[in-house]
Amino acid sequence: QVQLQESGPGLVKPSQTLSLTCNVSGGSISSGYYSWTWIRQSAGKGLEWIGRMYPSGRSNYNPSLESRVTISLDTSKNQFSLKMSSVTAADTAVYYCVREQWLGYVDYWGQGTLVTVSS
Amino acid sequence: EILMTQSPATLSASPGERATLSCRASQSINSNLAWYQQKPGQAPWLLIYGASTRATNTPARFSGSGSGTEFTLTISSLQSEDFAVYYCQQYNNWPLTFGGGTKVEIK
Repeated sequence: QVQLQESGPGLVKPSQTLSLTCNVSGGSISSGYYSWTWIRQSAGKGLEWIGRMYPSGRSNYNPSLESRVTISLDTSKNQFSLKMSSVTAADTAVYYCVREQWLGYVDYWGQGTLVTVSS
Repeated sequence: EILMTQSPATLSASPGERATLSCRASQSINSNLAWYQQKPGQAPWLLIYGASTRATNTPARFSGSGSGTEFTLTISSLQSEDFAVYYCQQYNNWPLTFGGGTKVEIK
């Protein structure tokens, strides 16, 4: 059974960089059948795809966030990470790390972590 | 970006009743549609993919249908654990997008 667990600060100041890590257990992130993805959920925008990274190094980012987002994989630790720069209050949301099937649907979700952007 | 529109926003029903949820895409997504269930304080959970294929552990009372732009999730007989929010998601085009959700509440 694959399990994902997000970690990182719950409070980030405006204009700073949000950094989250997802620890994966029960499966290898090096597997070529999946991508490792971040999704967020806020009251204002609902569920929003942030981006994905494949083990090959290929990535896709939501065009609305692409200029501020980087996703990276650390296969040695079986983890992947999200960095989002220049955050504002609009980035306040629950952030989920997920495993995305190669077709594009999510079969495993982390429990989610609330990140609040506030001074 | 493909816009996913779900209706109704809220569906009130009684246990044992049939529930029908709709999802419309702003352009054709073939059968590249998934449905998720989300309960308060929990992450969404995959119910259906490929528009009609039940995921592992999805009860048989859940069924999905449709292709192109019109999709339906049917719960044949509502159980107490089915009262939740349901989201559709398209994976035909990047960026992948979700609908706004349908809340199924107890009547």
